Amino acid sequence: TQLLEQSPQFLSIQEGENLTVYCNSSSVFSSLQWYRQEPGEGPVLLVTVVTGGEVKKLKRLTFQFGDARKDSSLHITAAQTGDTGLYLCAGDPLGGNEKLTFGTGTRLTIIP
Amino acid sequence: DAGVTQSPTHLIKTRGQQVTLRCSPKSGHDTVSWYQQALGQGPQFIFQYYEEEERQRGNFPDRFSGHQFPNYSSELNVNALLLGDSALYLCASTRGWGTEAFFGQGTRLTVV
Repeated sequence: TQLLEQSPQFLSIQEGENLTVYCNSSSVFSSLQWYRQEPGEGPVLLVTVVTGGEVKKLKRLTFQFGDARKDSSLHITAAQTGDTGLYLCAGDPLGGNEKLTFGTGTRLTIIP
Repeated sequence: DAGVTQSPTHLIKTRGQQVTLRCSPKSGHDTVSWYQQALGQGPQFIFQYYEEEERQRGNFPDRFSGHQFPNYSSELNVNALLLGDSALYLCASTRGWGTEAFFGQGTRLTVV
């Protein structure tokens, strides 16, 4: 069973601060996706990273895939209240069977 | 372009009853996956349908079954409901073997 562990589980910071959340596994993934989920809604895809060491930027969000494709990080610069939500990483296991394995999630709260 | 749509949005059932949840995939998508998300957890993979057949299955009992129709829409059926089946049920669609999944808003099932 491939597990993805996210840390921290909960994070509450002031608006304008920077933060990083982590997604770690002992397994290799062919790709890894980050989602944000609002209460009562389905997850919304933010980014997919495929290549080991890949860095992708989405405005104030920076995503990095680990060199060994076992871990990933999400860094948010100058957090805004609109960044509040549940951040989920999800891995596509090596072998292309398309079954996404989701992490435990990081619940982020940005305080005005 | 309609995204993934699920119905109903909320449902209350009594323990022991049966329930059917429905999902229409995003236009152009032919693969549907179902996930169960308990409160405060990441989504857990139930099963995936492609070409009207179950292609993969997660660690869920046989009480969970599904179906995919020729128009790619899908149903999730749960028999003999247990209190522990209370969760947000998410449907995700992809195009063929692609893994950039688009999620519906979910069906919130409460078993009493």
